[in-house]
Amino acid sequence: GIQVEQSPPDLILQEGANSTLRCNFSDSVNNLQWFHQNPWGQLINLFYIPSGTKQNGRLSATTVATERYSLLYISSSQTTDSGVYFCAVDPNDYKLSFGAGTTVTVRA
Amino acid sequence: KAGVTQTPRYLIKTRGQQVTLSCSPISGHRSVSWYQQTPGQGLQFLFEYFSETQRNKGNFPGRFSGRQFSNSRSEMNVSTLELGDSALYLCASSSGTGDEAFFGQGTRLTVV
Repeated sequence: GIQVEQSPPDLILQEGANSTLRCNFSDSVNNLQWFHQNPWGQLINLFYIPSGTKQNGRLSATTVATERYSLLYISSSQTTDSGVYFCAVDPNDYKLSFGAGTTVTVRA
Repeated sequence: KAGVTQTPRYLIKTRGQQVTLSCSPISGHRSVSWYQQTPGQGLQFLFEYFSETQRNKGNFPGRFSGRQFSNSRSEMNVSTLELGDSALYLCASSSGTGDEAFFGQGTRLTVV
């Protein structure tokens, strides 16, 4: 099956810093999503981005489908950005394959 | 528009028992998929249903089963529970054509 690798596994930031999370995948996909898992376990949708670039407030994402990677940018980080960020892809087989996640800790 | 609803939110069961979890998708969505999240294995796909048909199944033992009803609501069942089945079970709904998936709040199952 498709392999999804996220890096770095852990990220510690000072409030106000910028960061980049990376997701590499091993095959072509028709769906790529970024999620933030809240402390209660729910996966919160950040971006649906099989290709191209999107922005939502302090967050933005870029997927280069031909090179099989996606980047999530967090700018001016806040303590509420802490948590686990997941990348998930669907290579058109009706399921999402998740990376292991990046745990982000933002310190005040 | 209501989101994906999973019930119950928390469950404690004894080894050997069985359990049924429920998922109501977003109105109009015909695809429901289930995932298991554990600290050791991460997020793993269980199965996906579209219009009452299972289109894909993950690598889990036959003790894990599911179904989807004509109103798109789905249930998953785990029989003969083992300690290792303790996990967060997440349900997602989508239109079913590779579109954006939305997750419910999850059911946290503890097997003692």
